[in-house]
Amino acid sequence: AQSVSQHNHHVILSEAASLELGCNYSYGGTVNLFWYVQYPGQHLQLLLKYFSGDPLVKGIKGFEAEFIKSKFSFNLRKPSVQWSDTAEYFCAVEPSNDYKLSFGAGTTVTVRA
Amino acid sequence: GAGVSQTPSNKVTEKGKYVELRCDPISGHTALYWYRQSLGQGPEFLIYFQGTGAADDSGLPNDRFFAVRPEGSVSTLKIQRTERGDSAVYLCASSSIDSTEAFFGQGTRLTVV
Repeated sequence: AQSVSQHNHHVILSEAASLELGCNYSYGGTVNLFWYVQYPGQHLQLLLKYFSGDPLVKGIKGFEAEFIKSKFSFNLRKPSVQWSDTAEYFCAVEPSNDYKLSFGAGTTVTVRA
Repeated sequence: GAGVSQTPSNKVTEKGKYVELRCDPISGHTALYWYRQSLGQGPEFLIYFQGTGAADDSGLPNDRFFAVRPEGSVSTLKIQRTERGDSAVYLCASSSIDSTEAFFGQGTRLTVV
């Protein structure tokens, strides 16, 4: 079974600061990778996903993530955060021949105005 | 509907009681998933439906948990003899047959007292 590790439990930063959230997974085969976001009081929403091709993927709201196969990592980045980016962020992994998502424990991001 | 709808949004029940949680997926989505999210953790897979049949129920924790989707649309997660450890947010997601993007509902927060 695969596992997903998110390095930070809670990140606090100021507006305009850069954000990077770490995600590592353990799985021996080919995977699809996702970042989901949950804004306060809302449901989980897809930020971005990687299936194949260019390892640098761009998502909504200025987020991007880079898949580094040799490091089993899929880190999320945003160059300049806004107060509205305050949310919980989940990394998720899905084996390419499967349909079950395995989620990390999540990282709470608090952006101070 | 416009999104995945889950009812009730909150449910408080006494230990030992039976509960039913309902999920109404996005219209036309053939795949439906149930996940459980405990406090401080990411969602964990419970069961996956493709159409009316449960294609994978390997995530159900024990035989007190059961789910149905009799007409291939609405699904009901049923929990018998509830225990305090069942307290969690139960999430439902759906996806179309030609997409791996899962759309999540807002969840049902179950509290067993």
